[in-house]
Amino acid sequence: ETGVTQTPRHLVMGMTNKKSLKCEQHLGHNAMYWYKQSAKKPLELMFVYNFKEQTENNSVPSRFSPECPNSSHLFLHLHTLQPEDSALYLCASSQEGHSRYGYTFGSGTRLTVV
Amino acid sequence: EDQVTQSPEALRLQEGESSSLNCSYTVSGLRGLFWYRQDPGKGPEFLFTLYSAGEEKEKERLKATLTKKESFLHITAPKPEDSATYLCAVQARNSNYQLIWGAGTKLIIKP
Repeated sequence: ETGVTQTPRHLVMGMTNKKSLKCEQHLGHNAMYWYKQSAKKPLELMFVYNFKEQTENNSVPSRFSPECPNSSHLFLHLHTLQPEDSALYLCASSQEGHSRYGYTFGSGTRLTVV
Repeated sequence: EDQVTQSPEALRLQEGESSSLNCSYTVSGLRGLFWYRQDPGKGPEFLFTLYSAGEEKEKERLKATLTKKESFLHITAPKPEDSATYLCAVQARNSNYQLIWGAGTKLIIKP
């Protein structure tokens, strides 16, 4: 157990579906992140929340919608996705940006869009 | 443009055969360089932070070094449990949260 829990672990959804990914951390961290990891590609930062406020949005399509109700929970709402959105979606947390202690990542949600 | 290139893409070694992984970077002012390990089906696990050229960090069979253009992850007498994908990332001095990641090196240690 890494301290960051992501659910579900696997998700298959059609292009017209709406689903949500959930991330939870009880490490006392105040920054949380969504990353996308595609095969043989570098990690792509999608969203950053610091003290529940969104601080970065890396030109992510509007079909991805983040929500951070408190500093322990982070959601990624998905709707009308495309097959190229199939990837591993990783949640991470840290104490105010990337420090010498690094990020703590969850195990990810493997998303397949059909 | 800030970027990170890792080589080789994959590396197969016999148990006990030492080697090094490379991470070359270009960044407009380095705040830090980071190494992570990722096992299949899991998220990356933090290993090291390096801040300035000449700095070294060690953990068990791993040693990370840093120059002004690249970092090496040296693996001494590796064991099969060291098999994983190793990721390198850099943070620019003017960035609070954005990391530039490499695509990783997949390391396989055969018994």
